[in-house]
Amino acid sequence: DAKTTQPTSMDCAEGRAANLPCNHSTISGNEYVYWYRQIHSQGPQYIIHGLKNNETNEMASLIITEDRKSSTLILPHATLRDTAVYYCIVMKTSYDKVIFGPGTSLSVIP
Amino acid sequence: NAGVTQTPKFQVLKTGQSMTLQCAQDMNHEYMSWYRQDPGMGLRLIHYSVGAGITDQGEVPNGYNVSRSTTEDFPLRLLSAAPSQTSVYFCASRPPGRLNQPQHFGDGTRLSIL
Repeated sequence: DAKTTQPTSMDCAEGRAANLPCNHSTISGNEYVYWYRQIHSQGPQYIIHGLKNNETNEMASLIITEDRKSSTLILPHATLRDTAVYYCIVMKTSYDKVIFGPGTSLSVIP
Repeated sequence: NAGVTQTPKFQVLKTGQSMTLQCAQDMNHEYMSWYRQDPGMGLRLIHYSVGAGITDQGEVPNGYNVSRSTTEDFPLRLLSAAPSQTSVYFCASRPPGRLNQPQHFGDGTRLSIL
């Protein structure tokens, strides 16, 4: 499975867009990029995923570079409730074991 | 539809005791997994299962056993609890399918070993 690297922590002003980068330079052609977040000590929450096209849902947008070696999760208008640890994961199939890295701790500041 | 249900929510054990953490899902998901999360750390995969009768080890399997006799249930057993197993345990499930559906997580079991 491809590994991912993310910054350890980031700050974002409330109301601004939060752009969280993820590097997955060894991603293979059939691996998807997933983003989850974990608020405080709750169970991780799915945000969005994609293969090669940019994706958008009610929570966020996912921008994947053309070479697929990196991606960016965008929270368009960050709120205090978006303060969480954000995990970027790549995996191939439904039966891949899912390994989480340390993630990015996002702090949204008033 | 209850999603992924973990019981108990909290548990305190003494060193050497054994116990089973329960995980059940009512979504007919084939894939289920167990993670542990130590304070200030990320999630680490303990064991996972791709269907009834099939289990495999994750990153940190030592000290834990699993079985998968039904699609719905995936219990995690601590054979002889140790203080190093004090952690929050999360169970997750995901459906099979061509579009790589995401995992659904339970609310966690907070386990303290004295």
